[in-house]
Amino acid sequence: EVQLVESGGGLVKPGGSLRLSCAASGFTFSSYSMNWVRQAPGKGLEWVSSISSSSSYIYYADSVKGRFTISRDNAKNSLYLQMNSLRAEDTAVYYCAREGDSWGQGTLVTVSS
Amino acid sequence: DIVMTQTPLSSPVTLGQPASISCRSSQSLVHSDGNTYLSWLQQRPGQPPRLLIYKISNRFSGVPDRFSGSGAGTDFTLKISRVEAEDVGVYYCMQATQFPPLTFGGGTKVEIK
Repeated sequence: EVQLVESGGGLVKPGGSLRLSCAASGFTFSSYSMNWVRQAPGKGLEWVSSISSSSSYIYYADSVKGRFTISRDNAKNSLYLQMNSLRAEDTAVYYCAREGDSWGQGTLVTVSS
Repeated sequence: DIVMTQTPLSSPVTLGQPASISCRSSQSLVHSDGNTYLSWLQQRPGQPPRLLIYKISNRFSGVPDRFSGSGAGTDFTLKISRVEAEDVGVYYCMQATQFPPLTFGGGTKVEIK
């Protein structure tokens, strides 16, 4: 069974940093592209970033480019999102997703003073 | 970027009756490889998104056959043949044809009358 478990969310002040992690199990992690998708409270889904299976291709939404960094460690079956210079508008539940077909439970990031 | 527009915003349905959700893309979703990467996701209250349908009409593993997808080009439809109580939630269409970015419709809320 595919499992994706996010962690690392929390309350952070504007301008601060957080690192999200996603632990994957139940499939060959190194064979799949992975995504981060976020959902602001009461809002719809917004794609944040993607990384190919071997990290050769990395993409970001314009809203996070230059502030967020996606990475993965295939030996540890883990996906990461380093978030710097956080803003109030980054407040959301952050989901990791295997391509588009499996999603984690999400981790809440709140940016507030 | 491709814009995905869903209608209606809300769909009150009687248990056992059908429901239909439309999704229109601002450009054709036919990929150069011949596939159309249009998916439908379900998000029950308090839950992460779950893939229902991929490539227009293919049900994902474990999805009941009362869910069906159809369409082509820029116009797509998700149908629920007989709505059950567990179908309450928000439904999103998502395109991956012109990536990056992944883009989502604004969501349609299915609720019981």
